[in-house]
Amino acid sequence: ETGVTQSPTHLIKTRGQQVTLRCSSQSGHNTVSWYQQALGQGPQFIFQYYREEENGRGNFPPRFSGLQFPNYSSELNVNALELDDSALYLCASSLPSGDGYTFGSGTRLTVV
Amino acid sequence: QQPVQSPQAVILREGEDAVINCSSSKALYSVHWYRQKHGEAPVFLMILLKGGEQKGHDKISASFNEKKQQSSLYLTASQLSYSGTYFCGTENQGRRALTFGSGTRLQVQP
Repeated sequence: ETGVTQSPTHLIKTRGQQVTLRCSSQSGHNTVSWYQQALGQGPQFIFQYYREEENGRGNFPPRFSGLQFPNYSSELNVNALELDDSALYLCASSLPSGDGYTFGSGTRLTVV
Repeated sequence: QQPVQSPQAVILREGEDAVINCSSSKALYSVHWYRQKHGEAPVFLMILLKGGEQKGHDKISASFNEKKQQSSLYLTASQLSYSGTYFCGTENQGRRALTFGSGTRLQVQP
């Protein structure tokens, strides 16, 4: 098992800019989910991808978008960054059903 | 809707037991439990599917009461390594996405 790896670990961006976060899924996991975790809060679901298609989305605006690639790695893109986007962004991979999620260590995004 | 966890925080001495509760107002398909240490990724502990089964490994176990839409995590004979924030995450039928509670901060002292 290689686990879930995310890059970069930390990032500072200016309001209005765009950012791309990356995630490599655990070997054998074909489902990837992205979560936003504010300080002191539980993770909030952004969206999920299965076989390169989005198959679920939380209450996040369209400026949050994603991709999943044939090797099951994934990207989270955020356009027009706002100060409130500052958070820890977690990627989690899993099998389609009945199993737990393996989380990456996250990307800490700071918007100034 | 976010599941409600209780208590919000608990302090234990090594060897003591603790129970963390998670309740939802929606019908649940499954309940997940995770532990997150400061600055680290959440770590999967266990999943309970509807059917009211109880699971456990080592000194950590959990139950799921489908009728009440409640789950409880039981930590027995706590160890220092149990310290962290515990989150329950719930899934609804047909939606493979976790809705997390706000967490229970557990601190185990020597």
